Amino acid sequence: EAGVAQSPRYKIIEKRQSVAFWCNPISGHATLYWYQQILGQGPKLLIQFQNNGVVDDSQLPKDRFSAERLKGVDSTLKIQPAKLEDSAVYLCASSLRRLAGAYNEQFFGPGTRLTVL
Amino acid sequence: AQTVTQSQPEMSVQEAETVTLSCTYDTSESDYYLFWYKQPPSRQMILVIRQEAYKQQNATENRFSVNFQKAAKSFSLKISDSQLGDAAMYFCALPYGGATNKLIFGTGTLLAVQP
Repeated sequence: EAGVAQSPRYKIIEKRQSVAFWCNPISGHATLYWYQQILGQGPKLLIQFQNNGVVDDSQLPKDRFSAERLKGVDSTLKIQPAKLEDSAVYLCASSLRRLAGAYNEQFFGPGTRLTVL
Repeated sequence: AQTVTQSQPEMSVQEAETVTLSCTYDTSESDYYLFWYKQPPSRQMILVIRQEAYKQQNATENRFSVNFQKAAKSFSLKISDSQLGDAAMYFCALPYGGATNKLIFGTGTLLAVQP
């Protein structure tokens, strides 16, 4: 079974430029997550999708970050314009739709390391 | 609000020895899971072990085991017979948000394994 795919693996941009990250979840996984992991910290959830609908985007800085999952499969996360503090690893994860009383494991991709100069 | 605290930024262990990583948490939910994730330099987060709070028995996965103290809200990870491949960042994680299946992570412990 193929895992969660992300691209690019690395990206270096200057502040005020825009950047986009792509994620392809595991086939059949209805739920998709984007996390931001700043150096020395644990991952922090930015946005969660269930199929192509947003479940939670309360921690997404909406003035500069946007994300979409148009067909309920692939997702893109965009930053425009980037700031120095956006330097981080951006992780994508996916899971099966949660059933009542159960927990569905999140499977993570390799992440994209973003450096903003 | 849910919180996860890892108070050991770095740990070191000799190959073949045993090491314990600490984690404390707080949650308002009565039934929950707890997880330990491993993040090697490749950055891919890998689930190491999970514990269901209603189970009194501590979870074990090969060389990895936990010491779950529900009343104390403590969830430590023990790695026995440490191997060079165990070197990584280890994160304790707690689901929150009910059916939304979200995770909150601790700040991590960087484990070095000395040959």
